[in-house]
Amino acid sequence: DSGVTQTPKHLITATGQRVTLRCSPRSGDLSVYWYQQSLDQGLQFLIQYYNGEERAKGNILERFSAQQFPDLHSELNLSSLELGDSALYFCASSVGDSGGTDTQYFGPGTRLTVL
Amino acid sequence: AQSVTQPDIHITVSEGASLELRCNYSYGATPYLFWYVQSPGQGLQLLLKYFSGDTLVQGIKGFEAEFKRSQSSFNLRKPSVHWSDAAEYFCAVLFPNTGFQKLVFGTGTRLLVSP
Repeated sequence: DSGVTQTPKHLITATGQRVTLRCSPRSGDLSVYWYQQSLDQGLQFLIQYYNGEERAKGNILERFSAQQFPDLHSELNLSSLELGDSALYFCASSVGDSGGTDTQYFGPGTRLTVL
Repeated sequence: AQSVTQPDIHITVSEGASLELRCNYSYGATPYLFWYVQSPGQGLQLLLKYFSGDTLVQGIKGFEAEFKRSQSSFNLRKPSVHWSDAAEYFCAVLFPNTGFQKLVFGTGTRLLVSP
């Protein structure tokens, strides 16, 4: 158990819909990272937040957005969903702002299925 | 363009035999290098990482990796594989031109352990 929690574990929805994935980092961690793992694209970095502010952006679609709240939990919002958005979405957390030197601890993921 | 290559999609090793998983990256300068393991239904767990210094790095669960600058490689090794090592292994890289902020993952190698 990494200490990172993600809800829900599974999510099934239809094309065109909007969903919200939630992540609670480990106690004391200030950074949250979001990743997408799909058969087509593999494991891809989406976005990082540190203490409420966006710090780094990867291959995140404009239909996707994220935020980190004052209590440090984070939400990833996916809208206008398409079949290709079906994937496993991971959240990770680390103590500081450096994605390089800080170990990232991964949650178990949320499996999104778009029908 | 910077990239991370894991040439082996699947590898089968007998229990007790040695293991080497390959990872190559394309970039001029030395990046930060990582190996993660993903067990079925689990998030990713960091096995080891290399930033600088001694090119032979020891990690958890008896794994080690060797950085070879001349070959742009960071291969993962274990002298004796256990059945519990069956999982998917990802090499990941942080490149300097992203401020060491965005993890780039290889496509993964699935390890099967035969009795």
